[in-house]
Amino acid sequence: QSALAQPASMSGSPGQSITISCTGSSSDVGGYDFVSWYQHHPGEAPKLIIYEVTHRPSGVSNRFSGSKSGNTASLTISGLQAEDEADYYCTSYILGGRVVFGGGTKLTVL
Amino acid sequence: QVQLVQSGAEVKKPGASVKVSCKASGYTFTGYFLHWVRQAPGQGLEWLGWINPNSGGTKYAQKWQGRVSLTRDTSTRTAYMELTSLKSDDTALYYCARDLGTGDLSFDYWGQGTLVTVSS
Repeated sequence: QSALAQPASMSGSPGQSITISCTGSSSDVGGYDFVSWYQHHPGEAPKLIIYEVTHRPSGVSNRFSGSKSGNTASLTISGLQAEDEADYYCTSYILGGRVVFGGGTKLTVL
Repeated sequence: QVQLVQSGAEVKKPGASVKVSCKASGYTFTGYFLHWVRQAPGQGLEWLGWINPNSGGTKYAQKWQGRVSLTRDTSTRTAYMELTSLKSDDTALYYCARDLGTGDLSFDYWGQGTLVTVSS
């Protein structure tokens, strides 16, 4: 199972919105509404920010939102803040009860 | 509060095995799957597998089948990840993470990570 495809890096200015894509296939992203997103600051444990494509866990800012179209899921961060600078990873459920990660996107807030 | 506390850093020689522990507290240990994820230096996150602490049932990423073994001890609320036939590129930070419990295999609480260094 290959990693889901994410842009290696993205950047944005404070206050802007950015959208990170996560592209898979009909066997993973397109086949299930089980896509999650994680924010990972270096030196810390990753943090779940979106599950089941669109759901935010309690305590996660509503500046984070998720969506999916076909085999591509997306994470949108609105009103970029300096603290959003981190690595972002998507995951998808795959057949047989397994999980596959995306390659990760390094977000820089300019 | 939910906590996952992992064992300390390990240094191993190529060909050896390593066993990392993950002690859970603050929730019903047998009620949630536990996953293992690793991150090699400069690389992304990689899923290794999960264990159902209630039944002991496991599921592994196909790449790791046969080299990773997940076990648990319900009496001590501890899960274990054993990796055998270590190679230098197994040097990584290994995390345990609790399943959210909604069926989508997302992870809501994470351990602090255990650094495993493989070097001759």
